[in-house]
Amino acid sequence: DAKTTQPPSMDCAEGRAANLPCNHSTISGNEYVYWYRQIHSQGPQYIIHGLKNNETNEMASLIITEDRKSSTLILPHATLRDTAVYYCIVRPLLGAANAGKSTFGDGTTLTVKP
Amino acid sequence: GAVVSQHPSWVICKSGTSVKIECRSLDFQATTMFWYRQFPKQSLMLMATSNEGSKATYEQGVEKDKFLINHASLTLSTLTVTSAHPEDSSFYICSARVPQGTNTEAFFGQGTRLTVV
Repeated sequence: DAKTTQPPSMDCAEGRAANLPCNHSTISGNEYVYWYRQIHSQGPQYIIHGLKNNETNEMASLIITEDRKSSTLILPHATLRDTAVYYCIVRPLLGAANAGKSTFGDGTTLTVKP
Repeated sequence: GAVVSQHPSWVICKSGTSVKIECRSLDFQATTMFWYRQFPKQSLMLMATSNEGSKATYEQGVEKDKFLINHASLTLSTLTVTSAHPEDSSFYICSARVPQGTNTEAFFGQGTRLTVV
C-alpha cells in the first residue's frame, strides 16, 4: 500500500467544517483513497472512499486532487461526537491479491471543541 | 451496511493461558478476514490475513505458532493467543472483506481488549 501522511492533530469548533488533509504522493493508478475513523476503544468505522472524483455521502465529503497525490476529508458540521482519530488509507482494487488489506498510518486526532 | 462482530469485547486472562477471539461476518460471506493489533496510543498493525479453507498469511515479525488463526467457515475466523504473556495485552481488531461492486470494502469489528495478568 502507498504510504500516507497526515497531521498528527487538529482542533475544530463545534458546528464548523472540519477539513482533514492527507498526502499520498506515491499512490498508484489502481489504488483507492479510503477514510476511516476510530473513536476511543472501538474498531475503525468506514467513512468514505474514492478513486479520482470527489465523493459525498451522509457522513462526509472527499476531495481528491487532480493528480491524486493528496485528498481532503470534509466533515461539514462537526459535532462533539466526531472527536476521533481519522485514518487516510490507500488500497488496491478488487481482484488484487491484497485487496481489502489496510495499512494504517498514525492518523489525525481531531478534537471538536464546544 | 455489512456488520462484523467480535467476541468477546474484552477478556482478562492469566499469564500462560490461551485465549480465543472470534470474528464473525453477520450478513455476508467473507472469504478473507484480517487481524490487527493496536497498542495504546499507537495505530493498528496488521498481524495476518485469514483465508477461508487455507492457512493464514502472517506479517513479518508475527509468530504464527503463538497467534493461531482458523478460518473454517465463510462467516467465522478465530484468533487464539497461546501461552499469553503480559506483553500480549492489546486491542485486537478484525476486519472482513466485502466483495461488492467494483471495489472491495472492509468492515471492522468492534475490537477485543485483551489484558494478561
